[in-house]
Amino acid sequence: GAVVSQHPSWVICKSGTSVKIECRSLDFQATTMFWYRQFPKQSLMLMATSNEGSKATYEQGVEKDKFLINHASLTLSTLTVTSAHPEDSSFYICSASYRAGGELFFGEGSRLTVL
Amino acid sequence: AQSVTQLGSHVSVSEGALVLLRCNYSSSVPPYLFWYVQYPNQGLQLLLKYTTGATLVKGINGFEAEFKKSETSFHLTKPSAHMSDAAEYFCAAGSGYALNFGKGTSLLVTP
Repeated sequence: GAVVSQHPSWVICKSGTSVKIECRSLDFQATTMFWYRQFPKQSLMLMATSNEGSKATYEQGVEKDKFLINHASLTLSTLTVTSAHPEDSSFYICSASYRAGGELFFGEGSRLTVL
Repeated sequence: AQSVTQLGSHVSVSEGALVLLRCNYSSSVPPYLFWYVQYPNQGLQLLLKYTTGATLVKGINGFEAEFKKSETSFHLTKPSAHMSDAAEYFCAAGSGYALNFGKGTSLLVTP
């Protein structure tokens, strides 16, 4: 099956710094990728839809200036958490599909801890 | 938009017993339906999906689910639980790219 890879898997940073998380589709082209946030023992919350070559579409309540998304190529989307604070600590998961309604392939997730 | 309801945030079964995880969706148009499994600190792995065609869908690891339009349900079952089945299970629905996820059901398997 198709593979989606996230990097880094774990990141610890100081409050006020910015952190970039990469999401790559390794063996297929993904015109659309999705970024989710998952709090402990909870479900996935869709943060934004990342479209190659255009601006991301953010879900209501998600700060676009806080969570910068760039989808520069058909195989790479990045999520940058700017000026991170402890409340941004979470598990961030990306996913991608190569066609509408098809299977979503998920990355391994990135655990962010902000001290 | 679809919403997904998973009944029971925690389900406990004995090893070898039947596993039944419930999922209902709300949509005027039957969506695509998925079950995913998540192990601690990992991403999601697809167990099975329903798009069109046969309403009984077989997935990996012995799981299967049946799409019942009249009940707007897509319950996940496995005849005999194994210790390795202990994980978080998510039901999801969508009609395009993005999916709406249920809140998840944590499956505990006891010896």
